[in-house]
Amino acid sequence: AQSVTQLGSHVSVSEGALVLLRCNYSSSVPPYLFWYVQYPNQGLQLLLKYTTGATLVKGINGFEAEFKKSETSFHLTKPSAHMSDAAEYFCAVSGASGGSYIPTFGRGTSLIVHP
Amino acid sequence: AAGVIQSPRHLIKEKRETATLKCYPIPRHDTVYWYQQGPGQDPQFLISFYEKMQSDKGSIPDRFSAQQFSDYHSELNMSSLELGDSALYFCASSSGDPGTNTGELFFGEGSRLTVL
Repeated sequence: AQSVTQLGSHVSVSEGALVLLRCNYSSSVPPYLFWYVQYPNQGLQLLLKYTTGATLVKGINGFEAEFKKSETSFHLTKPSAHMSDAAEYFCAVSGASGGSYIPTFGRGTSLIVHP
Repeated sequence: AAGVIQSPRHLIKEKRETATLKCYPIPRHDTVYWYQQGPGQDPQFLISFYEKMQSDKGSIPDRFSAQQFSDYHSELNMSSLELGDSALYFCASSSGDPGTNTGELFFGEGSRLTVL
């Protein structure tokens, strides 16, 4: 079984400030981890993913995330927030549970960016 | 680049009616997934198909059925609609056997179903 916990349903930052969105996962097998972004009335778009190899992964729009196995975490960061970053962010985990890699999503974190 | 196409984008139905949602995956993608996202909720996996066969089943109600056709498009059929079925229904596609795919999905923009 696998699950994702995203701490904080809403995160509010000022434009130019550091963005930190937290994600902790539970998986009985080595996980594949993802961050997706959802803009209003749109589908989910992949920001970045971790499968194997380097634990610090870089994605689109200046976002990055670090896989920390000891902490079972995959927090998303961006050094400087832009107004256009305001959206819903979903962390997801998949793994070879029962032979498939169906991703399980967290509840999502709404990022609010203030001018 | 071509993306996942879903239709209709919006659908309004009465209780106990039937609805059908369609999904056209990215060309050469052979796996389709259906997710349901209620208001303020995370996407919940319903069902997936690989090479026209059901590959995984999630929390899909018995009132719902789905299939993947020879051209790889998929349809989600929902009968005896309930108020609680009001949600955004996402289709996603990927390439290759779900048993080897890492789980990276490409999502459509969703079909919003409102049940009155």
